[in-house]
Amino acid sequence: QKEVEQNSGPLSVPEGAIASLNCTYSDRGSQSFFWYRQYSGKSPELIMSIYSNGDKEDGRFTAQLNKASQYVSLLIRDSQPSDSATYLCAVSRDDKIIFGKGTRLHILP
Amino acid sequence: ETGVTQTPRHLVMGMTNKKSLKCEQHLGHNAMYWYKQSAKKPLELMFVYSLEERVENNSVPSRFSPECPNSSHLFLHLHTLQPEDSALYLCASSPGEGYEQYFGPGTRLTVT
Repeated sequence: QKEVEQNSGPLSVPEGAIASLNCTYSDRGSQSFFWYRQYSGKSPELIMSIYSNGDKEDGRFTAQLNKASQYVSLLIRDSQPSDSATYLCAVSRDDKIIFGKGTRLHILP
Repeated sequence: ETGVTQTPRHLVMGMTNKKSLKCEQHLGHNAMYWYKQSAKKPLELMFVYSLEERVENNSVPSRFSPECPNSSHLFLHLHTLQPEDSALYLCASSPGEGYEQYFGPGTRLTVT
């Protein structure tokens, strides 16, 4: 059973600090990796895609991928209360994409 | 309209009713998906369509019936639902299977 694992949280981070969200996956052949943000009662919104080892930065967000260790992470710098949401990790190989159960992030004002 | 749209946004139906959920994508994508998300639970993939052909059905009860008449439209026909079917139903599309998915706003369904 191919799996994507995330700590369900909640992860509480002070406003202005760096929030670090982690995701591990079991299929070593996974090729594409995505982070989604989902506010309560809303639909998931794609915020980052990463396909090769290393870091990818977009504004306050940085995705990090380490295929050897089979983990992908999302860093949020200068965390804001508006970043409070559930963050979903998704991993795909060929024509299959699997979502993790998500990590609830709470930014403390 | 841009992105992925879903109608209706909210639906209340009795267990004997028949209703349909509609999804339309304006992104030129080839794959479309139905997901169910119950309160405080993870996404559950229901159906996958690629180039208008159903390629996945994750053991969904027959009271849910999908239809994909073309690559831009996806329907979910509902009949004789149960209260436990109350959930947020999400439609998504992607350029192809395995690519990043873009979600619609969802239909909040309540079965009474």
